[in-house]
Amino acid sequence: DVKVTQSSRYLVKRTGEKVFLECVQDMDHENMFWYRQDPGLGLRLIYFSYDVKMKEKGDIPEGYSVSREKKERFSLILESASTNQTSMYLCASSRTSGRNNIQYFGAGTRLSVL
Amino acid sequence: KNEVEQSPQNLTAQEGEFITINCSYSVGISALHWLQQHPGGGIVSLFMLSSGKKKHGRLIATINIQEKHSSLHITASHPRDSAVYICAVGPIQGAQKLVFGQGTRLTINP
Repeated sequence: DVKVTQSSRYLVKRTGEKVFLECVQDMDHENMFWYRQDPGLGLRLIYFSYDVKMKEKGDIPEGYSVSREKKERFSLILESASTNQTSMYLCASSRTSGRNNIQYFGAGTRLSVL
Repeated sequence: KNEVEQSPQNLTAQEGEFITINCSYSVGISALHWLQQHPGGGIVSLFMLSSGKKKHGRLIATINIQEKHSSLHITASHPRDSAVYICAVGPIQGAQKLVFGQGTRLTINP
């Protein structure tokens, strides 16, 4: 089974802190994604990566950066956390080749910024 | 207007009822996905389809490419089917940036 593991289920941080959210997948997938999910807004793409050291901005990249130094790991960084970044963060991965491009999701990290 | 619209937003039904959730989209797609999210956050993929119909147990997904519409049906619904069901559209191949609907919250009462 594909496993996408997010480092924390719940996280509480203070305004201005630097926050790291880690995601690891074990299926050698090329693509990895970071989303945030807010009530009434659905899933919104923050960043995605299609290869090691490659990244592209999603729909809402402001206030976030990412790092992908190894194929299996994709990190989301909040340089200076703000209260409007309180949300559920979901990581996903998928393969590029073939016709099966289903995204596999982690369990999510619920981040509260106080 | 969202590129992917789901209806209804909320649905409450009794155990055993036949459930239909609808998804309409306005962009050209190569594939449509149905996802399920249980309370607590985890999202799992139910179906990926680009034409016709797929069935898995009590779940059936259909798509009409010409009308840009898909439906997810649940037969003989059960309280364990209670979840948020999410429709998403995207390409079959490539980096697969999906566009998501807002989700339909389904509650099945015993």
